[in-house]
Amino acid sequence: DTEVTQTPKHLVMGMTNKKSLKCEQHMGHRAMYWYKQKAKKPPELMFVYSYEKLSINESVPSRFSPECPNSSLLNLHLHALQPEDSALYLCASSQQGVDTQYFGPGTRLTVL
Amino acid sequence: RKEVEQDPGPFNVPEGATVAFNCTYSNSASQSFFWYRQDCRKEPKLLMSVYSSGNEDGRFTAQLNRASQYISLLIRDSKLSDSATYLCVVPRTGTASKLTFGTGTRLQVTL
Repeated sequence: DTEVTQTPKHLVMGMTNKKSLKCEQHMGHRAMYWYKQKAKKPPELMFVYSYEKLSINESVPSRFSPECPNSSLLNLHLHALQPEDSALYLCASSQQGVDTQYFGPGTRLTVL
Repeated sequence: RKEVEQDPGPFNVPEGATVAFNCTYSNSASQSFFWYRQDCRKEPKLLMSVYSSGNEDGRFTAQLNRASQYISLLIRDSKLSDSATYLCVVPRTGTASKLTFGTGTRLQVTL
């Protein structure tokens, strides 16, 4: 079973709100990822967690704050976002050291 | 040369046709390659992995040409449900965590 789940599916938030995106996988994968995808563009890597530790931050603004509470869960905390942050946020996971990544269905975020 | 380059299309083909897309990559040290399909407003889904000269899965064939640094995806007997964007993905050497995505090739299969 190659399933990654994400909640919520859709999120609308104001620029002063605080919200969180959640991602879960039960494949025993030890690497988890956050991507941002704008319309008609490929996904852009934001963060990588390896064995529950942040290993890569692609110079993402601090208004995005990732968290990995355990090996199955990945959160993305959002605060003071801008309208240009509106996008599809994708979570992915992979076995450690293996490049095949499996994506969740994404959260479509709209910032007003 | 871009790290990963694809013809954006769209490729408009009738049902039952055979269609092929190419993807060129710049890093000659790349060892693995992937094709993902992405439907409109959905997540990318892994279609095929390529580690050696090629791979075949039903109507889909991926071929790797290391000398010319390109990967192709061939779809035979196209179905309406094959309509999607096909992303060519190449991991960056030295780090399995970072994938380089092509911009995608849009396929539209029509009746």
